[in-house]
Amino acid sequence: DADVTQTPRNRITKTGKRIMLECSQTKGHDRMYWYRQDPGLGLRLIYYSFDVKDINKGEISDGYSVSRQAQAKFSLSLESAIPNQTALYFCATSDSKSQGSYEQYFGPGTRLTVT
Amino acid sequence: KQEVTQIPAALSVPEGENLVLNCSFTDSAIYNLQWFRQDPGKGLTSLLLIQSSQREQTSGRLNASLDKSSGRSTLYIAASQPGDSATYLCAVGNYGQNFVFGPGTRLSVLP
Repeated sequence: DADVTQTPRNRITKTGKRIMLECSQTKGHDRMYWYRQDPGLGLRLIYYSFDVKDINKGEISDGYSVSRQAQAKFSLSLESAIPNQTALYFCATSDSKSQGSYEQYFGPGTRLTVT
Repeated sequence: KQEVTQIPAALSVPEGENLVLNCSFTDSAIYNLQWFRQDPGKGLTSLLLIQSSQREQTSGRLNASLDKSSGRSTLYIAASQPGDSATYLCAVGNYGQNFVFGPGTRLSVLP
């Protein structure tokens, strides 16, 4: 089984709908991240969490919210989806106990289309 | 604010060539730099990670170097193969505790 999983893998939704993307990990890492990827723009950080009680905004948090339900679960919500949130979304993890390397491990991604 | 650039944006080479991909960053106060490979529509696969105290890392035909003072990293691929065709991304870990990605280099290795 994959260490970092994301559900759903693909989603088409309409403008104004609320949608939640979920991320689970079995790596035992304490840090989790949400990114979005747009063609030509690379990956941009939306939110990150260093533990269950620590949530931080990233570069592009407007229009998004997150919930860290447990160390292994980190969800991203779009309260009212808009077409420019159409993108590929990635969850990632890293381990603060990794002797300073903080290597990131990525999930397979969720392709979201907002019509 | 950290900015990361990658040159070239795209590269096409014949099979067997050695090649170098470049990553530049503006703020040298980093704690690591990680190179990834991404196949079209797929997730990111970690290739190499260099901690700030290191100068290079090697894995098989891949070698990554880091020069913090000049804000540069290179990924060297030896004896390229068609299976190396993908987009290569570098990501810089900052002491602001977040990661900044470059836009990527799209590599095509022709048989």
